[in-house]
Amino acid sequence: DTAVSQTPKYLVTQMGNDKSIKCEQNLGHDTMYWYKQDSKKFLKIMFSYNNKELIINETVPNRFSPKSPDKAHLNLHINSLELGDSAVYFCASSLRGDPSYEQYFGPGTRLTVT
Amino acid sequence: AQSVTQPDIHITVSEGASLELRCNYSYGATPYLFWYVQSPGQGLQLLLKYFSGDTLVQGIKGFEAEFKRSQSSFNLRKPSVHWSDAAEYFCAVGTQGAQKLVFGQGTRLTINP
Repeated sequence: DTAVSQTPKYLVTQMGNDKSIKCEQNLGHDTMYWYKQDSKKFLKIMFSYNNKELIINETVPNRFSPKSPDKAHLNLHINSLELGDSAVYFCASSLRGDPSYEQYFGPGTRLTVT
Repeated sequence: AQSVTQPDIHITVSEGASLELRCNYSYGATPYLFWYVQSPGQGLQLLLKYFSGDTLVQGIKGFEAEFKRSQSSFNLRKPSVHWSDAAEYFCAVGTQGAQKLVFGQGTRLTINP
C-alpha cells in the first residue's frame, strides 16, 4: 500500500553510463515531481509534471529526461552520467500542482557515480 | 524569487527538553509555509503547514509552528523532544501559482539521552 514508490533504492554506476529511475504513485494524484538532494542535504526541485505534461524544468542539464507514460508514473532517465550527478533523487506527488496541496515523497534513490 | 533560510545546520538537545528550529523566508506576499521531517534513509514527511488564519499551527508528532509576518519567520517548536525526533528538518515555502516548493538547507536534530 506504498503511496509513492521508487526503484531502485540504490544505484551505483560508472561515469558515462545511462541509467533510469522509476517512480509510481497510487494516490490518484495529478502532479508529480523530481527533486535532487545533494551531499549537503540541500533539496531542489528538478521537474514537475501535471497530467503527463511538463510544467517545471528548473534549468536541469538536458542529460536528464523525465518521462511520464501516465499520470501515475514519472521516470527519470539520465544520460552520460557525471560524478556531480551523485545525489539522492526523490520523487513526490500531490493532488494538484498548487503548493497548497501536500506533497508526498517517495523513499529516495541514492545514485553514486564512480 | 522566494527563498528560505534555516540558520542552524545542526542542533543538539537533551531528551525531554524543549525545541525550537528557526526558519526565515523571503517573499513579498503571504506564502504557503511548510515543515517537513526526514528520518535517516527515508523520504520527507509533512509535519505541518500554514496558509492563512491562525498563526499558530499544530502538526503531527506534537509539533507546532508560529507564523510571524513581521519577522518573516515560521519557527518550529516542540515542548518535549523524544529520541525518535532525531532527524533532518526542512522548512519550505510555496506560492500560489508557482507549482513548486523552495526548501531551506535543513537542520539536523540530534537528541542526547
